Amino acid sequence: ETGVTQTPRHLVMGMTNKKSLKCEQHLGHNAMYWYKQSAKKPLELMFVYSLEERVENNSVPSRFSPECPNSSHLFLHLHTLQPEDSALYLCASSQGEGAEQFFGPGTRLTVL
Amino acid sequence: EDQVTQSPEALRLQEGESSSLNCSYTVSGLRGLFWYRQDPGKGPEFLFTLYSAGEEKEKERLKATLTKKESFLHITAPKPEDSATYLCAVPSGSARQLTFGSGTQLTVLP
Repeated sequence: ETGVTQTPRHLVMGMTNKKSLKCEQHLGHNAMYWYKQSAKKPLELMFVYSLEERVENNSVPSRFSPECPNSSHLFLHLHTLQPEDSALYLCASSQGEGAEQFFGPGTRLTVL
Repeated sequence: EDQVTQSPEALRLQEGESSSLNCSYTVSGLRGLFWYRQDPGKGPEFLFTLYSAGEEKEKERLKATLTKKESFLHITAPKPEDSATYLCAVPSGSARQLTFGSGTQLTVLP
């Protein structure tokens, strides 16, 4: 595997379900990010982890819970989501803050 | 507040018809400007980084340029496979995040 991978690629869940998104980067980077991309809207940054420490949380509802167990892996735990949370969730990584970020293919999430 | 504005929102070109996409930005101290290409349902693909006014980068039919207020992505003799949404972004705030524009959706017709 190369670059940034994300699983699953597609996820359909009910509002009462609990699920997790997984991201893995094979680039040796030290920063990882979660973004949300909704139709017709710019990418929205959700969380930033630098050296495995969360350094940014852009007013994201608590029903989204990130976890970064090491510099290569990033999770987004989901629970009691709302239909408006349906979107493409993107993971990215970079070497250093402010550097170009490399994105995974995304997880298309649908909340029923 | 840092802002990035891209124009036009959508652009339709005939194959071989060259054009330019615009990215204007307002940031307190530019620390780089990034261009990405995004295909439907996929993650953005990194294209270029520009750091200072006057800088240019090229890749195949694409050339990115930078001034003190804006960046252009010039597409020369485009092909249908160049159809995608093109995004620009700048490091902002603490530089731990990128502020993205809304993108230009490019369609190249055969």
